[in-house]
Order: sequence, then structure tokens, then C-alpha cells
Amino acid sequence: DVKVTQSSRYLVKRTGEKVFLECVQDMDHENMFWYRQDPGLGLRLIYFSYDVKMKEKGDIPEGYSVSREKKERFSLILESASTNQTSMYLCASSSDPQTNGYTFGSGTRLTVV
Amino acid sequence: QKEVEQDPGPLSVPEGAIVSLNCTYSNSAFQYFMWYRQYSRKGPELLMYTYSSGNKEDGRFTAQVDKSSKYISLFIRDSQPSDSATYLCATPGNTPLVFGKGTRLSVIA
Repeated sequence: DVKVTQSSRYLVKRTGEKVFLECVQDMDHENMFWYRQDPGLGLRLIYFSYDVKMKEKGDIPEGYSVSREKKERFSLILESASTNQTSMYLCASSSDPQTNGYTFGSGTRLTVV
Repeated sequence: QKEVEQDPGPLSVPEGAIVSLNCTYSNSAFQYFMWYRQYSRKGPELLMYTYSSGNKEDGRFTAQVDKSSKYISLFIRDSQPSDSATYLCATPGNTPLVFGKGTRLSVIA
């Protein structure tokens, strides 16, 4: 069964901390994505990557960065966590977003206090 | 205008009802349309996928695209409590998927 694995289900961090959210896929997909999901706002795209070492900004990249050193791993970094970054973070991967859609991970519920 | 608009609900129906979930989209060039189902505290999972116009059926689920009105629908027949979830429509747009905000559905036994 194909999988996208997010390293933590729940995370509590303090304001100002640097936070790393890890995502690993075992499907040899080229494309990987990070979204955040908030009530009333839906899924919002933070960053995406179409290849190793490549990254593209999504709709809300401010306060975030990403790293993709290996094809299977796509990390989201909160440089200095703030309370408005409390959210559900979802990682996804795809072989072809146009025709195959995404496979999502189970999500990381991040709380910044 | 947002690329995909979806009524957030919530929608509550009795078990056995026919459910209709709907989205509108803005760009007539969009060809692929998807429905995702998301259970509470889980990631979305791909439920149905359609290309261009027409209907696609999978068991109790039917996805319908009306390109003339830029309207996409998901019908659930004989709804079950296990169908209680948030349903999101999506389209690739200009490449990363664009999602509707999701409709929360509750099926009451």
C-alpha cells in the first residue's frame, strides 16, 4: 500500500522555536506538496516541489521554508514559530497532479504556544 | 473570484438519503475534476476522478461534471453513517490542485 508518512501526528512548540515537519513518501513520486488546513479557510498551499532540490512558493509561503535533498523526503520548516501558525499541516505527493491527484499523509496537528 | 467554490455546509441527512454535494469552478479550460473524502483527524483521500463532462459511477457514488455551467457534483446513494466526513472537490487548475473548502456531511442513523 502506497504511503505518505508524516513524522508527527501532534506537536506542541513554543513561539520563536524553529520547527521541522518531515514528510516521506515511498511511491517514487516526483511531486510533493505542503498544505495547511484551517477551519473556514480550507486547504492552502504553502510550498511544492517538482523535483529534488527544486521548490516553488505556493499561496502562503511567508514564515515557511522547505528542503528537498532526496526525492522521497520533503521537509517544511517554520523559521520562527508564531501562534498564527497553529494549524493542521498536510503533506502530499503525486506522480502527475493533472491526472492522478494526490496521496496525502495523515497530517501533523501543530500547536504553537 | 476563487477558482473553486464549495458550500461548506454542514449538511446533516438521515441514513439512506441521497446526498448531493456541489462545487462551481471559474475556468472553462479545466478538464480534470476530483472528489476527496476526509475523515476527522485524517488526511484527504481520493474518492472519485472525472475527466471533462459527463458522469462517472462507482458503487453508491456518482460524480457529475456540467461544463456548460461549470458545475461539478457528487451524489451519494443510500447514504451510511460511515459516509460522515468532509468532502472536498478539486481541480488541477494551472497545476497544483486547487481545492474547494470542503462540505462537512453527517449521516444520522
